Amino acid sequence: EIVLTQSPATLSLSPGERATLSCRASQSISSNYLTWYQQKPGQAPRLLIYGASSRATGIPDRFSGSGSATDFTLTINRLEPEDFAVYYCQQYGNSLTFGGGTKVEIK
Amino acid sequence: EVELLESGGGLIQPGGSLRLSCTASGFTFSIYAMSWVRQAPGKGLEWVSTISASGGSTYYADSVKGRFTISRDNSKNTLYVQMTSLRAEDTAVYYCAKVPRDFWRYYFDYWGQGTLVTVSS
Repeated sequence: EIVLTQSPATLSLSPGERATLSCRASQSISSNYLTWYQQKPGQAPRLLIYGASSRATGIPDRFSGSGSATDFTLTINRLEPEDFAVYYCQQYGNSLTFGGGTKVEIK
Repeated sequence: EVELLESGGGLIQPGGSLRLSCTASGFTFSIYAMSWVRQAPGKGLEWVSTISASGGSTYYADSVKGRFTISRDNSKNTLYVQMTSLRAEDTAVYYCAKVPRDFWRYYFDYWGQGTLVTVSS
């Protein structure tokens, strides 16, 4: 099973700043089968990025994904108030596993 | 607009059984794989199970294998999961999630709002 480790656990930033979230895999993820989701309190997760770098339908271009093999990054440029949430990565290259999440909170 | 509506959650004693349902609308249900993903209170996400579009193939996480059974009724646009021998560690919000193709090892493009299952005496 591929274990995904997200860091940091919590990121304290102000609106307008850039957020950089990391997702590291215990082994290489084939074909960059890595996804990012956003979850707000009391809500279901929302798909942001699939295939490591492709934005899902309707996702603003301030969200971008990058990386390959074992190291992946979600970048949120110019944080908007609605971006403060928990973010999860998920791999689908070998079974299906999620990372533990990164909370982006208002500083 | 894609909508997924889960139902059937509640309080159940350890060792008990429960069936969750997920009614889908806004897309052609019968051509996509569907999944259940759960989230324990205050914790992260855990994939539970996936079923192929036809219902002919099913896949389970080791944590639920042998206890949970996923199924679907394409005539009713409904996904199910029958949960037996429930344990305290099965306590979670259970989400129904759509897979954007008929493939089990994939991501989830739409999620329902979830239904809470609490296993406690």
